[in-house]
Amino acid sequence: ETGVTQSPTHLIKTRGQQVTLRCSSQSGHNTVSWYQQALGQGPQFIFQYYREEENGRGNFPPRFSGLQFPNYSSELNVNALELDDSALYLCASSRLQGSNTEAFFGQGTRLTVV
Amino acid sequence: AQTVTQSQPEMSVQEAETVTLSCTYDTSESDYYLFWYKQPPSRQMILVIRQEAYKQQNATENRFSVNFQKAAKSFSLKISDSQLGDAAMYFCAYRSITNAGKSTFGDGTTLTVKP
Repeated sequence: ETGVTQSPTHLIKTRGQQVTLRCSSQSGHNTVSWYQQALGQGPQFIFQYYREEENGRGNFPPRFSGLQFPNYSSELNVNALELDDSALYLCASSRLQGSNTEAFFGQGTRLTVV
Repeated sequence: AQTVTQSQPEMSVQEAETVTLSCTYDTSESDYYLFWYKQPPSRQMILVIRQEAYKQQNATENRFSVNFQKAAKSFSLKISDSQLGDAAMYFCAYRSITNAGKSTFGDGTTLTVKP
């Protein structure tokens, strides 16, 4: 157990709908990163939040957005869902910098878009 | 931009035997971290082993060890005395020293352990 929890664990949405995924960070961590893992592929970096601001973004369109709250938990929002958004969404919490910092992953949210 | 390549989509090993998973990467940075993660069907990404690029000594963690060749940009994982519980998807990942939360992953190797 890493102390990083994600909710919900599974979700089915219809194309065009909007979805919100949630992640609680590990105690002492100030950064949350989100990844999309399509079936049979490695996780792809979506974006990262540090001190409630976006701190780096991967190659994802603006309809992928996020929030970070004062307690460092985070939300990933996806608007206008497409079939290709079906994937496992992972969040990882960490401290932003430091030689011995480590990122700890949650168990993921499996999103299916139909 | 960094890239990570795992050229073996699937590997198989007999229980108690040794298996090596391959990984190559590309970067222009001189200091960085490399990781192997295990992802069982439960989906939890579990850290197996970590290597700091500035360390010449290869990391070991019980039955898991790496062969880190910095000049060749190669980072392989050796699993000794394979156990049924080792069966999972294994991902190689690269991380810059300046950002603990952003990693670049390979596409993974599915490891099957035969009894």
